Amino acid sequence: GESVGLHLPTLSVQEGDNSIINCAYSNSASDYFIWYKQESGKGPQFIIDIRSNMDKRQGQRVTVLLNKTVKHLSLQIAATQPGDSAVYFCAEKRGGGADGLTFGKGTHLIIQP
Amino acid sequence: EPEVTQTPSHQVTQMGQEVILRCVPISNHLYFYWYRQILGQKVEFLVSFYNNEISEKSEIFDDQFSVERPDGSNFTLKIRSTKLEDSAMYFCASIWASGGSTQYFGPGTRLTVL
Repeated sequence: GESVGLHLPTLSVQEGDNSIINCAYSNSASDYFIWYKQESGKGPQFIIDIRSNMDKRQGQRVTVLLNKTVKHLSLQIAATQPGDSAVYFCAEKRGGGADGLTFGKGTHLIIQP
Repeated sequence: EPEVTQTPSHQVTQMGQEVILRCVPISNHLYFYWYRQILGQKVEFLVSFYNNEISEKSEIFDDQFSVERPDGSNFTLKIRSTKLEDSAMYFCASIWASGGSTQYFGPGTRLTVL
C-alpha cells in the first residue's frame, strides 16, 4: 500500500556539520515529493520539492536526492545552524490533480552547539 | 509574503459538542486542504476542496466532518459531534494550482476534546 516512512526518529549533528535525513516511500506511482520542516507549535514549512523525472535538486543549503530504483528520498542540509533544529517530514503526492499529501513520521534533527 | 492563517489557535471543547475551525487560505489559491496531526504522530490528510466541492477525502473524513467555503476568503472544517480521539492539531493548506504545486500550511489549530 502507499506509505512514506523515515529511517531515523532522531538525528543529532554538530553545528556547522552537514546532515542527511532519509526517507523511504513505497508507491512507485508517486511523482512528486516534498520535504517539510516543522518547528514546535507551528505548521509544516516547505523546504524543497522534487519531481520524479529528476534525481537531484538543490536549494539554498539544501539538496534533495531521489532514487527511484530503491524508492528512497534524502534531504541534505549543509553547514547546519541552530535554526535548523526541527522535525523534518518527507511527503509524497498521492496521485494526479489536487490530491492530498502522504506524510512520513518525521525525523527530529537536533543541532548540537 | 502571503500566508495561510487559522483561527482559533487553540480550541477546547466538551465531547459531543460541535466545533468549527477556520482558515483563510492564500488569496489567489484555488485548492484547499485540511490535515490533522495527533500529538507525536505524522500529519494525515483529511480532505481536499476545489471549486466549492470536495475533490478527495481520506477514510478519516467520515460523516461527522464537513467543509465549507462560506465566502470568498474563509475555508472551514466542522466536526459535528467531537470525540476524544479528535484531539489533534488541524492544519489548513492551500495551493494555487493542481499537479506539483507546493502546499502552503497554516500554523494550525490545536483542538482539545475533554
